[in-house]
Amino acid sequence: NAGVTQTPKFRILKIGQSMTLQCAQDMNHNYMYWYRQDPGMGLKLIYYSVGAGITDKGEVPNGYNVSRSTTEDFPLRLELAAPSQTSVYFCASSSRGYYEKLFFGSGTQLSVL
Amino acid sequence: KQEVTQIPAALSVPEGENLVLNCSFTDSAIYNLQWFRQDPGKGLTSLLLIQSSQREQTSGRLNASLDKSSGRSTLYIAASQPGDSATYLCAVRYGSSNTGKLIFGQGTTLQVKP
Repeated sequence: NAGVTQTPKFRILKIGQSMTLQCAQDMNHNYMYWYRQDPGMGLKLIYYSVGAGITDKGEVPNGYNVSRSTTEDFPLRLELAAPSQTSVYFCASSSRGYYEKLFFGSGTQLSVL
Repeated sequence: KQEVTQIPAALSVPEGENLVLNCSFTDSAIYNLQWFRQDPGKGLTSLLLIQSSQREQTSGRLNASLDKSSGRSTLYIAASQPGDSATYLCAVRYGSSNTGKLIFGQGTTLQVKP
């Protein structure tokens, strides 16, 4: 069972570059989320989606964009990368929002230098 | 301000010991609380989910309790094993919408020594 798949696992960007973090789930979940985890901190919600074509901002959306054209995929776009975006990014999904357990991907470790 | 705190940040115990991890939250109007396990370099795995109307949930050697009035949850691990070594995070959900707001604690890193 694949579950939630994130690519790439590691990436180094230069300041001002852009990139897309990929996330795909094969559980037919409607709800998908993007979090970032900074060292010694809890996870912060960047964006979330309640279904294909529907996205909304979380706690820390600045500098990021998302799209949800299919149920399976929820890519996160970083425009004009900044050192403050150095973090570990996690994608998660669930079938009924936070009423049920979240399933997480293995994360993308991003460094912006 | 809604905050979730986990103390201690790190804990080391010998194998076989029973242990308790703590999670406290400032706003008692929660909808549910989840305990997660995170292994180094990996994503989070949901261990237990307690709805606001429940007092506890059990899965194998794990038991999570919830006391909304005191703003506390505990994760009890029985007969700890080296394979239990990981970081344990609690997350509290607020809000009546489908997604609400999920606030994570900083985690407790557990080391179980053989």
